Amino acid sequence: AQRVTQPEKLLSVFKGAPVELKCNYSYSGSPELFWYVQYSRQRLQLLLRHISRESIKGFTADLNKGETSFHLKKPFAQEEDSAMYYCALRNTGTASKLTFGTGTRLQVTL
Amino acid sequence: DTEVTQTPKHLVMGMTNKKSLKCEQHMGHRAMYWYKQKAKKPPELMFVYSYEKLSINESVPSRFSPECPNSSLLNLHLHALQPEDSALYLCASSPTGHLREAFFGQGTRLTVV
Repeated sequence: AQRVTQPEKLLSVFKGAPVELKCNYSYSGSPELFWYVQYSRQRLQLLLRHISRESIKGFTADLNKGETSFHLKKPFAQEEDSAMYYCALRNTGTASKLTFGTGTRLQVTL
Repeated sequence: DTEVTQTPKHLVMGMTNKKSLKCEQHMGHRAMYWYKQKAKKPPELMFVYSYEKLSINESVPSRFSPECPNSSLLNLHLHALQPEDSALYLCASSPTGHLREAFFGQGTRLTVV
């Protein structure tokens, strides 16, 4: 079974402060991991995927297989980063199943 | 066109009604999904279609009946729903190969009265 854990329901930080949204996973194979973001009144959209090792909107995430983690980080939070963030895991089998964590609401205040 | 389009945006239906939710994409994706999202909860997978064939059914009650008439369309037929089925229903699509990013629609907000 695949599972994604996001321990924080709400993370509140000041503008300019560093951000780390935690994500741990359990999966017996080699997972594909993603971060999705949902801004207020907008559709769920992809932010990052582990395979690309890219930085989007200043966010990065590194897959740590030893710790089974895929934490999302940004050195300096901006007000426009306030949103709901979901970590998601896809199995690598033929029947493709994308499983979401419970989500963390990031609130960036002045 | 990199959008997944869902209709209707809002739907109110009675427990004896029959209605359908529709989803369309023109990105050439051969995997399509239905998710259910309750307020302040993550999306929960309901069904996965791969090459127009149902590949995953997450033990969804039979009052929800999916259909994939072609590679661009996905329907969810609803019949005899309960008030607890009220939720945001999300459709998504993705390629079936590697780097399978899923694109989500805006969702249909369903209220069962």
